[in-house]
Amino acid sequence: QKEVEQNSGPLSVPEGAIASLNCTYSDRGSQSFFWYRQYSGKSPELIMFIYSNGDKEDGRFTAQLNKASQYVSLLIRDSQPSDSATYLCAVTRSSNTGKLIFGQGTTLQVKP
Amino acid sequence: EPEVTQTPSHQVTQMGQEVILRCVPISNHLYFYWYRQILGQKVEFLVSFYNNEISEKSEIFDDQFSVERPDGSNFTLKIRSTKLEDSAMYFCASSQPTANNGYTFGSGTRLTVV
Repeated sequence: QKEVEQNSGPLSVPEGAIASLNCTYSDRGSQSFFWYRQYSGKSPELIMFIYSNGDKEDGRFTAQLNKASQYVSLLIRDSQPSDSATYLCAVTRSSNTGKLIFGQGTTLQVKP
Repeated sequence: EPEVTQTPSHQVTQMGQEVILRCVPISNHLYFYWYRQILGQKVEFLVSFYNNEISEKSEIFDDQFSVERPDGSNFTLKIRSTKLEDSAMYFCASSQPTANNGYTFGSGTRLTVV
């Protein structure tokens, strides 16, 4: 079983729609959960992090965490072509100090 | 906004040669990391470094790899005898336990072993 699993996609949505990206993890000891965006050939760029069950909103982005189901998701509202990238889910057992375990990433395509 | 700086951006080396990848983490961060990403694959953890010593390393981080913080600002990854399969993007990252901003990644060094 993979430690962090994501559907590789591509996920294609029209401009202005909501994009929903999902991630499951196997380690029940995971404490911190991150979403990174990665453009081709570039480094991961932090979008959001979440530590507690429930929703966390930041602008057009909402992260959702359900530790009982070992599931974390990212919603992108009003998707723009510039949101087209690979979205990486990452988890760690600690708070900002341990190794990050990354998923394979989901490629999002936002079509004008 | 503070940045993690990596040099060089691209390095080409002959198989069997030693390479040193350099990073300047964010100044008030205490935890430093190296990750690598082989083309088309996921980002993989190599090593974490805290208080001038390795705190954790992965199976990938074998005896041909070493890390050092030589002068209080730089953080380096040395690969002693490069192999073709070491070709990848290498990312340095840093973090601060009390910070509310996750892990910050550098722009990466693309290592090509020929």
